[in-house]
Amino acid sequence: NAGVTQTPKFQVLKTGQSMTLQCAQDMNHEYMSWYRQDPGMGLRLIHYSVGAGITDQGEVPNGYNVSRSTTEDFPLRLLSAAPSQTSVYFCASSLGLPTGFGNGELFFGEGSRLTVL
Amino acid sequence: TQLLEQSPQFLSIQEGENLTVYCNSSSVFSSLQWYRQEPGEGPVLLVTVVTGGEVKKLKRLTFQFGDARKDSSLHITAAQPGDTGLYLCAGLIQTGANNLFFGTGTRLTVIP
Repeated sequence: NAGVTQTPKFQVLKTGQSMTLQCAQDMNHEYMSWYRQDPGMGLRLIHYSVGAGITDQGEVPNGYNVSRSTTEDFPLRLLSAAPSQTSVYFCASSLGLPTGFGNGELFFGEGSRLTVL
Repeated sequence: TQLLEQSPQFLSIQEGENLTVYCNSSSVFSSLQWYRQEPGEGPVLLVTVVTGGEVKKLKRLTFQFGDARKDSSLHITAAQPGDTGLYLCAGLIQTGANNLFFGTGTRLTVIP
């Protein structure tokens, strides 16, 4: 049971480079989201999707793009990396809208640690 | 500014001691959750509280949702080294699509 799989686990970029963080889930979940985690700030929502073809912005969307062409995959693209994007990124999914219980329980991946020099 | 503030930010205690972690906001939440996160892993849901004043117990952990649904607390009785981790509260705001807003986190270390 893979659950939510994120790749890569670690990545170092130079300022201005672009890259894509991959997220895949095998639970047939409709809702998927990306968070970034920074010390002392908890997790902040970047983008989310309520189903294939539908995405929307969260709290901190600037500098990131997402797409949802399939139910399983929800990649996060950094268009032109900046040192301020150094963070740990988490992908999460739930069967329904996140409520914390029943079909809305959020499941997280193991995270992707990104360093931008 | 963070929607949810947790205190303390760091807590180091001896095995067997009791502790309380607080999660406060000026916003009202539909529900509030507590997660625990271990190094190198994603957060894992511990509990969800929905009703103002609600108290839930999970073995040695007691969770309470404030009457006004703006704050919550997590109390651990007789802490054990296995309780070590980052504790995160998360408030749910229903604005079309439900979205979770996470607190700043409390890093707990229980010393054997």
